[in-house]
Amino acid sequence: QSVLTQPPSASGTPGQRVTISCSGSSSNIGSNYVYWYQQLPGTAPKLLIYRNNQRPSGVPDRFSGSKSGTSASLAISGLRSEDEADYYCAAWDDSLSGRWVFGGGTKLTVL
Amino acid sequence: QVQLVQSGSELKKPGASVKVSCKASGYTFTSYAMNWVRQAPGQGLEWMGWINTNTGNPTYAQGFTGRFVFSLDTSVSTAYLQISSLKAEDTAVYYCARGCTGGVCPHYWGQGTLVTVSS
Repeated sequence: QSVLTQPPSASGTPGQRVTISCSGSSSNIGSNYVYWYQQLPGTAPKLLIYRNNQRPSGVPDRFSGSKSGTSASLAISGLRSEDEADYYCAAWDDSLSGRWVFGGGTKLTVL
Repeated sequence: QVQLVQSGSELKKPGASVKVSCKASGYTFTSYAMNWVRQAPGQGLEWMGWINTNTGNPTYAQGFTGRFVFSLDTSVSTAYLQISSLKAEDTAVYYCARGCTGGVCPHYWGQGTLVTVSS
């Protein structure tokens, strides 16, 4: 099982707002930045959010991230069919001499 | 623009070795860490570790010690992942991913290399 916990699936209709949660602990989310990745079917992951809530150049502002304590969330507003993908949260974990950890991933379906 | 181009798919027999390459362009190779990430079929992302491209010092995640080796050829801006004594459970897509500014956090990703281990 993954160090960071995500729901395995989420869904929404076009135009809707959906959120994906990510739960961790004091050694990862609680003390380090959270990152989010989008993996479209058959492609490599792409950085979507860094340092909790920052968007890399080119990422639409429909995507937003937030963090509170040992949990984080990714919100997608104005849902589009092309948003159908797997989403992963990630963070540095201070245990075991330090390691990068991912959530198990959430498959987002646009109905 | 930053690009990471990985070598092509590999089909190997159990017990063999494989070496995956990751050629970087569009930035100064030695200024950013390089991560390696594994994704087994139908599964999530698993961080294998990273290599300091300035010093060549590798750091391996738990579960990726012994048979896994990260290396570099800075003269051609290329990182390598070598896996020895391949097992069926090593079948996966392997990604290289450049670190972010000042850290390990995977930012730019290669297209992935599928390694299939089958007799």
